Amino acid sequence: ETGVTQSPTHLIKTRGQQVTLRCSSQSGHNTVSWYQQALGQGPQFIFQYYREEENGRGNFPPRFSGLQFPNYSSELNVNALELDDSALYLCASSLALAGGREQYFGPGTRLTVT
Amino acid sequence: QKEVEQNSGPLSVPEGAIASLNCTYSDRGSQSFFWYRQYSGKSPELIMSIYSNGDKEDGRFTAQLNKASQYVSLLIRDSQPSDSATYLCAVKGGGAGSYQLTFGKGTKLSVIP
Repeated sequence: ETGVTQSPTHLIKTRGQQVTLRCSSQSGHNTVSWYQQALGQGPQFIFQYYREEENGRGNFPPRFSGLQFPNYSSELNVNALELDDSALYLCASSLALAGGREQYFGPGTRLTVT
Repeated sequence: QKEVEQNSGPLSVPEGAIASLNCTYSDRGSQSFFWYRQYSGKSPELIMSIYSNGDKEDGRFTAQLNKASQYVSLLIRDSQPSDSATYLCAVKGGGAGSYQLTFGKGTKLSVIP
């Protein structure tokens, strides 16, 4: 157990809808990163949040957006869902003061878009 | 584009044998290297991190790093059926973009009792 929690566990949405996924970081960790893992692939970096600001972004369109709150928890929002958005969404927390090198994953949210 | 390459497997080893997992990366400026274990239907679990050339041992696991060859490996000694999982190699750069982990597709390991 890493202490990183995510909700919901599973989610089924229809193409075109919007979804919000939530993450609580491990106690003491101030940085949250989001990854998308398609079946049979490694996780792909979406973005990272530090001090409530986006600290870097991968190759994902603007309809993927996020927030970080003062308690370091985070949300991932996806608008205009597409079938290819079906994946496991992973949140990882780390401590920036340690260089943020080691990232610990939560259990993930399985999103299915129909 | 930064790339991390792993053999997809499956790699099958008998119980008690040494499993050897390999990974190469394209970004010569990479500074931090990680191995994650992912059981089917679960999220990745960090099992090893290595930052400097050489070997790092933790229990039955040994990570090896060769920055000149841009190569990192994971050895699992005395393999157990519970080690059967997909092993993901992840690399973190040292410069711009150093906040993200770049993952390989993973190697599926099967330990045969």
